[in-house]
Order: sequence, then structure tokens, then C-alpha cells
Amino acid sequence: KNEVEQSPQNLTAQEGEFITINCSYSVGISALHWLQQHPGGGIVSLFMLSSGKKKHGRLIATINIQEKHSSLHITASHPRDSAVYICAVTGNQFYFGTGTSLTVIP
Amino acid sequence: GAVVSQHPSWVICKSGTSVKIECRSLDFQATTMFWYRQFPKQSLMLMATSNEGSKATYEQGVEKDKFLINHASLTLSTLTVTSAHPEDSSFYICRATSGEVGIQYFGAGTRLSVL
Repeated sequence: KNEVEQSPQNLTAQEGEFITINCSYSVGISALHWLQQHPGGGIVSLFMLSSGKKKHGRLIATINIQEKHSSLHITASHPRDSAVYICAVTGNQFYFGTGTSLTVIP
Repeated sequence: GAVVSQHPSWVICKSGTSVKIECRSLDFQATTMFWYRQFPKQSLMLMATSNEGSKATYEQGVEKDKFLINHASLTLSTLTVTSAHPEDSSFYICRATSGEVGIQYFGAGTRLSVL
């Protein structure tokens, strides 16, 4: 079993839809990260959070430490949001989730 | 802001040659550098961890003589794929930490194609 589980694995949405990607983890952490990997491969760090909620533009990330769960929301999705979104946690080690491949259709 | 510059972004080489990939930390000191490999549609696989001035620690199954890692300074770590073969074709990416709790910096990645 992976230390970090994400769902869904793949997600297709129409432009403008509200999108939620979920992440559950089973280890003790000091921080949780949401990362974005575009088809070219480079990884961009979207959020680092250890409690509560953070917002950046159309992206919102929340974390519930007691439930060991985090969500990434994208409001008013756009085709340029198409990418792989990866949840990762900093614990004793750095653990990556398997990623969620998002495709937003115009 | 702090960035990790990774070069080259894309390299094609002949089988048997060696390829060096660099990750430079800009505006911060990378005390630890992690090197990953990623196959298409798969998650990142940790290859090795290096701390400045000491030998890298390799994950099980990763050949240290094939994937040479050098972290000679706090701003530069290199991964050299020696005697590359087609099966080494992959996406390689580095991750750096500076000691600040939780802060992670990623390189943009290097796509290696061995002919």
C-alpha cells in the first residue's frame, strides 16, 4: 500500500467545471505538497500546507490533519489546467502520490 | 525566488556515451539533493540522495557505478549516466532542500533518449 493515495487517477472535465482531487496519507507528516506536472515534465510546486486552507488564484488546497486527508480544488477549470497533479508529503521521507491526470476539454 | 536550474532539458545520445545532468540551486543553498527517474505515466522513483560534500546514498537496485552523483558544493549537484544504453532513456528530475522545514524545490527535468 502506498503511503500517499490519490483519487481519481484520471479526470476529464469540461471547461468551467469545478474540480476536486483528493489525497489521503498514512504517515505522520510535517507538510503536504500539491505539485503540478505538465506534459513537458517539469514540476511546479503549487502549495505547501500543514493545516487549514490555502488559496492561490483559482486553486484552493485544504488539509484535515486528524483525518489525514487533503483536497485540491480548481474553480472555473480551463484547458491550460490540464496536467498531472501530484500530492506529496514530507514525513520521515518524502512520499509522492501516484498523481491525477487531469484533462480539461474546451 | 529560489529556483533549481536543471540542464540540459533534453538530450539525445548514442549508446555507450556518458551524459551529465546538472542541477544548480539559485538563491539558496541546497544541503540535500534528491535524484529521481520517471517512466511515462508512472510516479517518480527515487534513485539517490546526496548531501553536500559526502557520498550519495543510492536506493536499492540503482547501480552507483552507472549513475554517478556528485554534490561538491551547496549550489551544484550532478548526475552522470555512464555508458548509457537505450533502457536508460527516461525523464530525470532533481529535488532540492535547503534545510527549511518542508520547503521543496524541483528542477525542470531532463529527458534522456539513448539511441
